[in-house]
Amino acid sequence: LAKTTQPISMDSYEGQEVNITCSHNNIATNDYITWYQQFPSQGPRFIIQGYKTKVTNEVASLFIPADRKSSTLSLPRVSLSDTAVYYCLVGETGFQKLVFGTGTRLLVSP
Amino acid sequence: EAQVTQNPRYLITVTGKKLTVTCSQNMNHEYMSWYRQDPGLGLRQIYYSMNVEVTDKGDVPEGYKVSRKEKRNFPLILESPSPNQTSLYFCASSFRGSNEQFFGPGTRLTVL
Repeated sequence: LAKTTQPISMDSYEGQEVNITCSHNNIATNDYITWYQQFPSQGPRFIIQGYKTKVTNEVASLFIPADRKSSTLSLPRVSLSDTAVYYCLVGETGFQKLVFGTGTRLLVSP
Repeated sequence: EAQVTQNPRYLITVTGKKLTVTCSQNMNHEYMSWYRQDPGLGLRQIYYSMNVEVTDKGDVPEGYKVSRKEKRNFPLILESPSPNQTSLYFCASSFRGSNEQFFGPGTRLTVL
């Protein structure tokens, strides 16, 4: 599985757009990029997944450049409830071993 | 309601006393997995199962056993718990071929 690197923490304010970048230099051809969100004392929750270019759903957008060596999770107009840890994972669809790493701790302040 | 359930949610036990943490899903998922989460180490996979009677080791399987006799259940067994197994445990499930895993609420285990 490709190793991923994310910032340890980020701070933001309510209403701002937050972009969390994940580096995955060794991404393989068949690998997808998946993001999860985890609130304290809860299990992670799937947010979004993509292979290339841009993917958008009701929660976030995922931007993937042509070389796919990085990806950016974009959260529009964050609120206090977006305070959580965000994990970037890279691997083939349905890969058996999910390697979560330590994620990015996002703190949203009023 | 589609969900993954775990029991118990909290457990305090003593070294060497065998215990089982149950996990059940009602979404007809083929794939199930166990993770442990420790401060500073993120989530690490213990065991996973691609289908009934098919299990395989994750990254930290030592000291744990699992079984998958039914599609909906995937219990985690600690034959002889030790203090280093004190952790927050999560069970997850998904359709085979999907990266969208559904996680249970977690089981906080303390081994004294």
